Amino acid sequence: NAGVTQTPKFRILKIGQSMTLQCTQDMNHNYMYWYRQDPGMGLKLIYYSVGAGITDKGEVPNGYNVSRSTTEDFPLRLELAAPSQTSVYFCASTKEGPTGYPNSNQPQHFGDGTRLSIL
Amino acid sequence: KNQVEQSPQSLIILEGKNCTLQCNYTVSPFSNLRWYKQDTGRGPVSLTIMTFSENTKSNGRYTATLDADTKQSSLHITASQLSDSASYICVVRSWGATNKLIFGTGTLLAVQP
Repeated sequence: NAGVTQTPKFRILKIGQSMTLQCTQDMNHNYMYWYRQDPGMGLKLIYYSVGAGITDKGEVPNGYNVSRSTTEDFPLRLELAAPSQTSVYFCASTKEGPTGYPNSNQPQHFGDGTRLSIL
Repeated sequence: KNQVEQSPQSLIILEGKNCTLQCNYTVSPFSNLRWYKQDTGRGPVSLTIMTFSENTKSNGRYTATLDADTKQSSLHITASQLSDSASYICVVRSWGATNKLIFGTGTLLAVQP
């Protein structure tokens, strides 16, 4: 069981370039999330999705876009890379209740991250 | 303001010793509190999840406690092993329609032989 898989593991971008961070999960989870982790800071939510075709902004969505065309995949797009987007990006997934009310006690399952540097 | 604060920031202990990590939170309304272990270069992995009514929960050598009145939690590690070296992150989930998880900055634990 692969769980949550993120690619690439490392990437260096130049300012102004664009790229897509890939995330896929094989646990049939309905909720998926993108976080960024900066040194000395707690994880910050960028975007999340409650199911295929539905996405919503988190705390720090500026400069990013997402899509959710299938249950398994939740790619994160950086359109115009900026040095402030240098970070470690984590994708996570969880199985929430049928009501969609995100208050269950299910743990989030995280990928191993993408380390992104923008120079 | 919803916050999760952890202490100490870092800790060094000898293999075989016990240690306790602290988490204080001001998140309201409270839904549950989670402890995650994050190995270097890896994603966080869930250790325990506690709701308002749970005071203690164990996972092997890890025991988490929760005092919802004082809004404090602790993670106790018994008979530490070298593989316990990692960052331990306290996360509090806020109740409500928005999917709100507030992450602490973590305690970096180094277990030395």
